Amino acid sequence: AQTVTQSQPEMSVQEAETVTLSCTYDTSESDYYLFWYKQPPSRQMILVIRQEAYKQQNATENRFSVNFQKAAKSFSLKISDSQLGDAAMYFCAYRSANTGNQFYFGTGTSLTVIP
Amino acid sequence: KAGVTQTPRYLIKTRGQQVTLSCSPISGHRSVSWYQQTPGQGLQFLFEYFSETQRNKGNFPGRFSGRQFSNSRSEMNVSTLELGDSALYLCASSLVGGATYGYTFGSGTRLTVV
Repeated sequence: AQTVTQSQPEMSVQEAETVTLSCTYDTSESDYYLFWYKQPPSRQMILVIRQEAYKQQNATENRFSVNFQKAAKSFSLKISDSQLGDAAMYFCAYRSANTGNQFYFGTGTSLTVIP
Repeated sequence: KAGVTQTPRYLIKTRGQQVTLSCSPISGHRSVSWYQQTPGQGLQFLFEYFSETQRNKGNFPGRFSGRQFSNSRSEMNVSTLELGDSALYLCASSLVGGATYGYTFGSGTRLTVV
């Protein structure tokens, strides 16, 4: 089974600054999708950003961008101009393109935004 | 457009009892997946249903089961509850083609087993 590792249980960032959350994964597949989800205290998981493995270009969504290094199996999330509303648990997730709809999640990074 | 609705939000049950959780996906989403979230194990895949058929199952004992109805609503059932079943149970729906664009999650059902 694929494994997803988030090595930073907790991170903090000053409001308006930039923070990078790390994620690595282990797979023998060449075609897959990677996701970052945010889970605020309301508990609902919210999709932040998505990356297809076959695309070399890094995905961006407004203040959120990724650094996808396929050979290194690394998928980090950069949050620019951090806002108080960004405070949440962030989960990295992997989905195979070929073997069903199951997502494999990392253990999460708790992000605190300091005013 | 309504989101994924899970009921109830909170539930307290006694060991040995059984419980049924409900999930109504986004209109038009035919795939429904269930995940268990605990502090120790994180998010773990339970099963996925598509067009009333279980398409994929995670590594959970047979006490965990589910079903999907013709309107895509799904239920999951846990029988003979154990203390370790205390968790947040998340339902997620996706379009026909699968979750290549990601899931839409509900807010979960917090189950406490005492």
